[in-house]
Amino acid sequence: AQSVSQHNHHVILSEAASLELGCNYSYGGTVNLFWYVQYPGQHLQLLLKYFSGDPLVKGIKGFEAEFIKSKFSFNLRKPSVQWSDTAEYFCAVKAYSGGGADGLTFGKGTHLIIQP
Amino acid sequence: DAEITQSPRHKITETGRQVTLACHQTWNHNNMFWYRQDLGHGLRLIHYSYGVHDTNKGEVSDGYSVSRSNTEDLPLTLESAASSQTSVYFCASSERQLQGDEQFFGPGTRLTVL
Repeated sequence: AQSVSQHNHHVILSEAASLELGCNYSYGGTVNLFWYVQYPGQHLQLLLKYFSGDPLVKGIKGFEAEFIKSKFSFNLRKPSVQWSDTAEYFCAVKAYSGGGADGLTFGKGTHLIIQP
Repeated sequence: DAEITQSPRHKITETGRQVTLACHQTWNHNNMFWYRQDLGHGLRLIHYSYGVHDTNKGEVSDGYSVSRSNTEDLPLTLESAASSQTSVYFCASSERQLQGDEQFFGPGTRLTVL
């Protein structure tokens, strides 16, 4: 079974700082990769996804992520964070095994706090 | 606009009671999913369905059941609620099983079992 590891459980940054959140997965086959964000009191929203093509994907709100297959990684980046980026961030993987995919496997999440 | 709704948004119940959480989507999606979110665990898959009358167990299915009688609804039932089932429950849906399909999430139900 696949698993997802997010290295940073709590991150505190100042506004305008650069952000990189680590995500590694374990699965040897075809995967789709996602980053979801959960703002306080709200439901999960998709930030970006990778399923094929250019391994550098751009999402909403200035976020991007790079899929490095050899490292089984899909790290999330943003060059300059804002106070409104304070949220919980989840990396997720969907593994494909011929007949289709089951649900998403999520990492434990990273709680990001941006200080003004 | 199409959406996915959950009810109730908050529920307090007692140990041993049966509880049903509703999930309704107007996307006309084939696939529906139930997750629970717990501190330190992220989201974990409980049950999922690929279509009417189809149900499948996820990672943490013990103590839960689902049924799919139509495309729009996937209710989650806790047969005999336990304190360990205190959690936030999210329903999600996706259109197909093709690569790149994303899941859309509902607003969540916060369940407390006393």
